[in-house]
Amino acid sequence: EADIYQTPRYLVIGTGKKITLECSQTMGHDKMYWYQQDPGMELHLIHYSYGVNSTEKGDLSSESTVSRIRTEHFPLTLESARPSHTSQYLCASRAEGYYEQYFGPGTRLTVT
Amino acid sequence: AQSVTQPDIHITVSEGASLELRCNYSYGATPYLFWYVQSPGQGLQLLLKYFSGDTLVQGIKGFEAEFKRSQSSFNLRKPSVHWSDAAEYFCAVGYQKVTFGIGTKLQVIP
Repeated sequence: EADIYQTPRYLVIGTGKKITLECSQTMGHDKMYWYQQDPGMELHLIHYSYGVNSTEKGDLSSESTVSRIRTEHFPLTLESARPSHTSQYLCASRAEGYYEQYFGPGTRLTVT
Repeated sequence: AQSVTQPDIHITVSEGASLELRCNYSYGATPYLFWYVQSPGQGLQLLLKYFSGDTLVQGIKGFEAEFKRSQSSFNLRKPSVHWSDAAEYFCAVGYQKVTFGIGTKLQVIP
């Protein structure tokens, strides 16, 4: 069983608030990913990191930002939440040389 | 560009019946293929993967998948479905960056 954690699991917040979604893994994986998941849609990659101090934007444009100061930690921040940010956010990681990704349980974000 | 098609959005099967979930992919080279399962309120769990070698791969929970290059398919099968298999199933292709299908929601009826 993979050890990747996301907090909070559920968040309801008002428009304009700053939020940070936490993601941590204890497997020492270099590669980490953030996906956005909406019902009936494929997972969309919004950010990824191949190691400390390395971050890239994914295929889906997102107003969020990420940081990777420690190998195990990959937080996602929204400076000013909007209703259009309402979604499920999934964090994943994988080891160097292996291509299967391990997923956290997700954060379901609702912006009112 | 790589892509994945899961033609069945929703499938209903009776408990004990066999199951096949379809997946077709588009990829420019030898594909890395995956099947994941997602239970409500959870993240995705890897069921099985194919990189090379034997085209019939075994996974967890009694699932298997067969890679058919000529058909660009990687269908997931299970001989006898249990009620606990009700979930959403995602096919995926790629390695550095992975593309996921839109998922097939499986309902199991008694």
